[in-house]
Order: sequence, then structure tokens, then C-alpha cells
Amino acid sequence: RKEVEQDPGPFNVPEGATVAFNCTYSNSASQSFFWYRQDCRKEPKLLMSVYSSGNEDGRFTAQLNRASQYISLLIRDSKLSDSATYLCVVTPTGGFKTIFGAGTRLFVKA
Amino acid sequence: DGGITQSPKYLFRKEGQNVTLSCEQNLNHDAMYWYRQDPGQGLRLIYYSQIVNDFQKGDIAEGYSVSREKKESFPLTVTSAQKNPTAFYLCASSIKGGTTEAFFGQGTRLTVV
Repeated sequence: RKEVEQDPGPFNVPEGATVAFNCTYSNSASQSFFWYRQDCRKEPKLLMSVYSSGNEDGRFTAQLNRASQYISLLIRDSKLSDSATYLCVVTPTGGFKTIFGAGTRLFVKA
Repeated sequence: DGGITQSPKYLFRKEGQNVTLSCEQNLNHDAMYWYRQDPGQGLRLIYYSQIVNDFQKGDIAEGYSVSREKKESFPLTVTSAQKNPTAFYLCASSIKGGTTEAFFGQGTRLTVV
């Protein structure tokens, strides 16, 4: 079983739609969680950190469920510019090796 | 402007040749990483370094080597022992460990011809 698993998609949604991605992780001792965005042929960039209480940044909401070992990303009112690959990132407690998921591809269409 | 710089952006190599990818950062970050990304795949960790003169193997270190003689620099050598080197290589740095945001360079696209 992979340490971090994501649905590869692609998710094809119309503009204005709400879309949700889930990511599961296998190490219950994981400490830090992030969502990164990667545009085609570009480097990944931090979208948002994920906090235990959940957090929101504009149209984006991230949640963590430690009991079930998954994190989620919700995008509301999708824009064409949201089209990208979204990477789930997990770091174990006391660890140094950040683990990236394979990513979920999102296409937002007019 | 602070940032992390990789060079070159595109690199072509003949089979059997070693090649070195450059990664420099002026963010004063202690931790630096090298990842490999294949088409449609996630990032796989090659090597990482927490401090100068120290580095650790990641998940796919075979056929690669690194050095960390300066805090700012973490070059990656792709040796002839790497059987399938064509990929997108990404260098990253962070303040410390994996608990803080990682900043990436723009990547080097290596093609073996």
C-alpha cells in the first residue's frame, strides 16, 4: 500500500461547480499535512497547509481526519484557472521525508 | 529576490554519460531535496540533506549522487548507472525538515538521446 494515496482523476467539472479531493495516508504518526498545486510542466507550489481544526482560504477548504487518516480539499465556485494537478503532502512525526501523493488532475471547463 | 534556482532548464545527455544538475538557494534554508517526476506520476524522493556535509538517500537513490559542501548548493549528478534517467527533476528547500513549506525550483527536464 502506498504511503499517500490520491484518486488520480481526472475530474472534469464545469465552471462554478464544487469539487472535493480526498487523500489517504498510511502512517498514523504523520504530523504535517499540505496541499500543493502543480500546473502542467511547472514546479509544485504550496496551496495551503492543513490544520487539525480544518482551515479555509477563500474558495478552498482543507480538512484533516486523523481517525480515518485522510485529508480533503474542497474547491467551491471552480474557476478555469483552478485547472491543475493537486498534490497531497504528508510528513511523519519527527520525520524529515516529506511524502508526496501522485496528484489529482482537475479540469474546469467553461 | 529570494528563491531557489535550478539550471539548466532543459538538458540532453547521451547514454553512458554522467551529468550534473545545479540547485542553488538564497533562502537560508537548512534542508534541501531532490525529487524525480515521471509523466503522470507523483514526486519521488532521490536524496535529501538537512545540513551542510550531510545527506541521506531517499526512495530512489540508485544511479544518483549528491554533495552538500555549501548551505546554498545541492547539486545532483545523474550517473551512467541510472538506467532510465529521462525525467523532470525538481529541487526543493525548506526551513527545517518536512514540517514546513517546501519551495521548489523550476525544474530541469533531462532527456537521454
